[in-house]
Amino acid sequence: KQEVTQIPAALSVPEGENLVLNCSFTDSAIYNLQWFRQDPGKGLTSLLLIQSSQREQTSGRLNASLDKSSGRSTLYIAASQPGDSATYLCAVRGSNFGNEKLTFGTGTRLTIIP
Amino acid sequence: GAVVSQHPSRVICKSGTSVKIECRSLDFQATTMFWYRQFPKQSLMLMATSNEGSKATYEQGVEKDKFLINHASLTLSTLTVTSAHPEDSSFYICSAIGGGLSYEQYFGPGTRLTVT
Repeated sequence: KQEVTQIPAALSVPEGENLVLNCSFTDSAIYNLQWFRQDPGKGLTSLLLIQSSQREQTSGRLNASLDKSSGRSTLYIAASQPGDSATYLCAVRGSNFGNEKLTFGTGTRLTIIP
Repeated sequence: GAVVSQHPSRVICKSGTSVKIECRSLDFQATTMFWYRQFPKQSLMLMATSNEGSKATYEQGVEKDKFLINHASLTLSTLTVTSAHPEDSSFYICSAIGGGLSYEQYFGPGTRLTVT
């Protein structure tokens, strides 16, 4: 059974700093990995999607990397802003038949201090 | 990115009544839709998966007679909570995948259900 872990569970950094969020998963047979953000009381916003054959994806100040063989992904946020404060979730989709659902990590609650 | 909408965003109902939540994919055809629920400070829990025109597949422990799912078209799925009770109060989020091979999953804004 796939297990996804995110470290740290919570992180506070001053505005302007660069930061890295970590995600690890136990089963490397994945189809893709997505990073989401969730604001309090809201749904999930898809940030980046990395297919299993890819190493990284970039969108603006965000960069996500994937090392499938070691079961790790990182989300790099450059020049953090107070608006980046949210809970960040990574989720992996299995590639085996019958295991195609997204498995979510435990989340990292990020606070950017103005 | 693709947009998924939900209606209503908030609903309060009395115990014993039924509530219907709508989920729509606004700019793509959703071959597969998902329903999740989320309790405070917890991660999302998948309730069921549905494909257009087919019966939904429910996760273990989710009562299919209580949570009725209808995926009537490629842009609309509904979740009906029947005979709601206070313990059904939660945040319900729908999600959808369009066609193609990317399998990128998009989420709606969620519906806050409060049963009094």
